[in-house]
Amino acid sequence: KNEVEQSPQNLTAQEGEFITINCSYSVGISALHWLQQHPGGGIVSLFMLSSGKKKHGRLIATINIQEKHSSLHITASHPRDSAVYICAALIGDDKIIFGKGTRLHILP
Amino acid sequence: EAQVTQNPRYLITVTGKKLTVTCSQNMNHEYMSWYRQDPGLGLRQIYYSMNVEVTDKGDVPEGYKVSRKEKRNFPLILESPSPNQTSLYFCASSLVASGPTYEQYFGPGTRLTVT
Repeated sequence: KNEVEQSPQNLTAQEGEFITINCSYSVGISALHWLQQHPGGGIVSLFMLSSGKKKHGRLIATINIQEKHSSLHITASHPRDSAVYICAALIGDDKIIFGKGTRLHILP
Repeated sequence: EAQVTQNPRYLITVTGKKLTVTCSQNMNHEYMSWYRQDPGLGLRQIYYSMNVEVTDKGDVPEGYKVSRKEKRNFPLILESPSPNQTSLYFCASSLVASGPTYEQYFGPGTRLTVT
């Protein structure tokens, strides 16, 4: 079993829909990282979370340490949000384990 | 402009021919790391470095070497590449020496094909 599991693997939605991507982990973590990988391959950091909730524009990330679960939400989704979203668990100060990613496709 | 650069971006080579993929950052970051990305497996950590002359193995270090002689550079060396090292490689850096506690900046990726 992978230490970091994401769901769903693939998600297709209509423009404007509220999107939720889930990340569960089985190890103790120091923080959780959400990344976005564009269709061209480039990776950018979205959020780093160790507790609670963070918001940036239409993106919201939450984490529940007790339940070992994090969610990434996108409000008012847009075709430009189409990308692969990856969660990564930070173990201690130096190791990082990635989920396999969620491929999101927003239809106009 | 703050960035992580990798070279080359694309490389096709043959089994056994030594190669180096360079990684450089201009943000004075202490932490640097190499990852490979494969279909169905996602991103996996190869090696990381907490600071100059400090490197450690990630999850898939076999067949790779790294060095950190200067803060800004973290080259990935494949002494004898094999076809199973065909992959998309990313270098990343982060501010703090204590690990990737803050935002990681990723390079653009290097697509390596070993025939």
